Amino acid sequence: AQTVTQSQPEMSVQEAETVTLSCTYDTSESDYYLFWYKQPPSRQMILVIRQEAYKQQNATENRFSVNFQKAAKSFSLKISDSQLGDAAMYFCAYRSAWGNKLVFGAGTILRVKS
Amino acid sequence: DGGITQSPKYLFRKEGQNVTLSCEQNLNHDAMYWYRQDPGQGLRLIYYSQIVNDFQKGDIAEGYSVSREKKESFPLTVTSAQKNPTAFYLCASTIGNQPQHFGDGTRLSIL
Repeated sequence: AQTVTQSQPEMSVQEAETVTLSCTYDTSESDYYLFWYKQPPSRQMILVIRQEAYKQQNATENRFSVNFQKAAKSFSLKISDSQLGDAAMYFCAYRSAWGNKLVFGAGTILRVKS
Repeated sequence: DGGITQSPKYLFRKEGQNVTLSCEQNLNHDAMYWYRQDPGQGLRLIYYSQIVNDFQKGDIAEGYSVSREKKESFPLTVTSAQKNPTAFYLCASTIGNQPQHFGDGTRLSIL
């Protein structure tokens, strides 16, 4: 069974600075998808970014980018120019290419200081 | 606008009572999911359904039941057999290889 590990329960960043959230996963599959979801205090789950395992190029969405290291099974999220609205719980998630069930990590709380 | 509607937003359960959480989507998605979220933990899959009239157990199905009589609807019943039902419940849906789209959740508490 696949597992997802987020080793940082909490992170803090100064406004306008850059922060990196870590995620590692375990799978024997070669084709899969990885996601970062954001959950603000409203508890809504918002998709931040998605990466297909067969793509070597790291995904980017505005201030959000990932460092996908397939051999190391690592999928970190970099947030540049952090804003107060980025404060939230961030979840890393895995999905097999052959199904659509998501496996989530335990989450990382990101605090943004002004 | 298309989306997923979960109701109610807050729900209270008495001892020995079954309660049903509603999840409706108008996104024309085939697959629907129920997750449970506890403090300090990620989301855990309770049940999922790929098509109408079919559903499968997830990782923590004990004490829960579902039905999928319509494509748009996937209600979750928390039965009296679920001894620790206090949690935040999220419903999601998807189609094909699209990322899952989530509702706003229901917070269930014990009276």
